[in-house]
Order: sequence, then structure tokens, then C-alpha cells
Amino acid sequence: DAGVIQSPRHEVTEMGQEVTLRCKPISGHDYLFWYRQTMMRGLELLIYFNNNVPIDDSGMPEDRFSAKMPNASFSTLKIQPSEPRDSAVYFCASSSTGGNQPQHFGDGTRLSIL
Amino acid sequence: QQQVKQSPQSLIVQKGGIPIINCAYENTAFDYFPWYQQFPGKGPALLIAIRPDVSEKKEGRFTISFNKSAKQFSLHIMDSQPGDSATYFCAASMGRKLIFGQGTELSVKP
Repeated sequence: DAGVIQSPRHEVTEMGQEVTLRCKPISGHDYLFWYRQTMMRGLELLIYFNNNVPIDDSGMPEDRFSAKMPNASFSTLKIQPSEPRDSAVYFCASSSTGGNQPQHFGDGTRLSIL
Repeated sequence: QQQVKQSPQSLIVQKGGIPIINCAYENTAFDYFPWYQQFPGKGPALLIAIRPDVSEKKEGRFTISFNKSAKQFSLHIMDSQPGDSATYFCAASMGRKLIFGQGTELSVKP
């Protein structure tokens, strides 16, 4: 079975540019999560969706960040405008419904903002 | 109150040794405590998990010990192997939200 698929795997761009990260969750999973991983702050939950609806976006750092889930098989995390402090590894994860279902992570997008 | 504190930050053991990683939490509303393993360039993967009504859980060489009164839990890796070298994260959840510890980088020497 295909796992969570993220693209691109690496992104290098200049400050001020728009960045779009993409995620395809595991088929049949109805929860989708976006995380950010940095050395300083570790793994932080940014936002999560249930059945394509954003449930909790309290971890989104500021208005420059936005996330959408137009359908059950696709989500995007957008940063506009990007800043050097946004450099991190961004992970997408998905899980099925039911209590304490494990979250399955993709391999992440390593983002570098110059 | 939302934090999960993990120690040590890094750990080096010889093959066959038993590394122990410790975590502590404050919020008693947490109801699920998973451990994740992460290899370089990969996403975290669930290793083993425990609920607070259980004091110990074993899966293969991995054991979680849980002390509800002390609000602490730990991961033991029996007969550790070089292939266990990775970063380990404890976590705690309320509902769907996972709060991760800072991670422990484990190195198992041959």
C-alpha cells in the first residue's frame, strides 16, 4: 500500500517567494495533519483536518501560512511570503477514524528559504 | 502544561545494551502515549504505544513502562542492535492532537 506522499522532497527558494507543499494521504484515512520539524522547536502540529474540514489551526505560526484540503486525497500548505525562519522539514501525516489510530507520516519536505 | 519533556537528548550504547529513554508530562488529560522512531531523511513511524490504565507494554524488543502517579513513562530497548540507531520521540495525545517530546538520538555501536 502506498504511504503518505509528499512533494516536493526538497525546496530551495528565496525570501519573499510563495511556497506550496503538497500531500496525498493514505486512501481511506479521514484525518490529515501538517507538522513542522526544527532543531529548536522539535515536531510541532500546525493544523489538522477531518473529512477535509480544518479542525484545529492553533499551531499555524502566522497569517503567512495557510492550508487547504480540497478533497480527500489532496492537501496543500502554503507560505506567502516566505521568510528564512520558515526553513524546516514539513511533514504531512494521516490517520483513520476510531480511537487512538496511529498517525502515518510522509517522508517530509525539506524547505530552505534563502 | 502541554509540554512533554524527554531525556536524554542523545545516548550511545554498545550492541546488546539496554538504552532507556524517559519522558514526563503534566497534563493529566493526556490519554494515549505513543513512541515514534525516525531515521534520517524519513518521517517518524509509530513504534509502540500505551494507554494510562496500563503499567507496561511489550512489543518484541521494545517495552514501555508507565507510571501514572509520577506522570512519567519510558522506553526500553532490549538487546539493542546497530539498526536501532535512530531518533526516538515520545508523545502524548488528547483526542487527535499529538504533543511530541524533543527527541533522543540513539547510537548503538557494533
